[in-house]
Amino acid sequence: QVHLVQSGAEVRKPGASVQVSCKASGYSFTSYGMHWVRQAPGKGLEWMGWINSANGNTRYAQRFQGRVTITRDTSASTVYLEVSSLTSEDTAVYYCARRPITRNYYDSNGFYVAYMDIWGRGTTVTVSS
Amino acid sequence: SYELRQPPSVSVSPGQTARIACSGDALPKQYVYWYQQKPGQAPVLVIYKDRERPSGIPERFSGSSSGTTVTLTITGVEAEDEADYYCQSTDGSGTYPGVVFGGGTKLTVL
Repeated sequence: QVHLVQSGAEVRKPGASVQVSCKASGYSFTSYGMHWVRQAPGKGLEWMGWINSANGNTRYAQRFQGRVTITRDTSASTVYLEVSSLTSEDTAVYYCARRPITRNYYDSNGFYVAYMDIWGRGTTVTVSS
Repeated sequence: SYELRQPPSVSVSPGQTARIACSGDALPKQYVYWYQQKPGQAPVLVIYKDRERPSGIPERFSGSSSGTTVTLTITGVEAEDEADYYCQSTDGSGTYPGVVFGGGTKLTVL
């Protein structure tokens, strides 16, 4: 059975950094990518970026470029999200979510395929002075 | 920046049909995916590639597309379907587009 187990809740002061982990099990880790999505209290879902677990290539949402880093450790089947220069607006639940990967990311119809088929339970990050 | 538009709320009685629309200019050339999120839980994929249903998702969930609008339809709504629903697509920028979510629709079962 596929599981994504995320690290526990974190509290940080403004200006600090935080790292959240997501350990995968039940499938071939390098055959899939991993997205990170966050949700502020009472708000909608916000995509942050994703990593190709096989080659480590990343793609970030423009608004997080330079402040967010996604890495992976294939030996541990674990993906990491680091967010720096935290402000109160970064208070949110952070989810990892598995990304099915098709050849070159496009399907036979010529459409780009990018979605989340399995989600972790989320990690709450609170930023407060 | 690219946006996906959803109605904030939809209300239906049990047994009726709920339709949640998602519109965006790039949708004719991008797939849409739908997620269900219940309070305090992680989202769950209910439709992928506009109209495909993952294993384990009830047949009452279906998806359709027409031009710049994609619709999630729940036929014979049940009380357990009350949740927030988010559409997701890609922004069509470059070879490897970014991911975009709609603002979400709260489905209330009366």
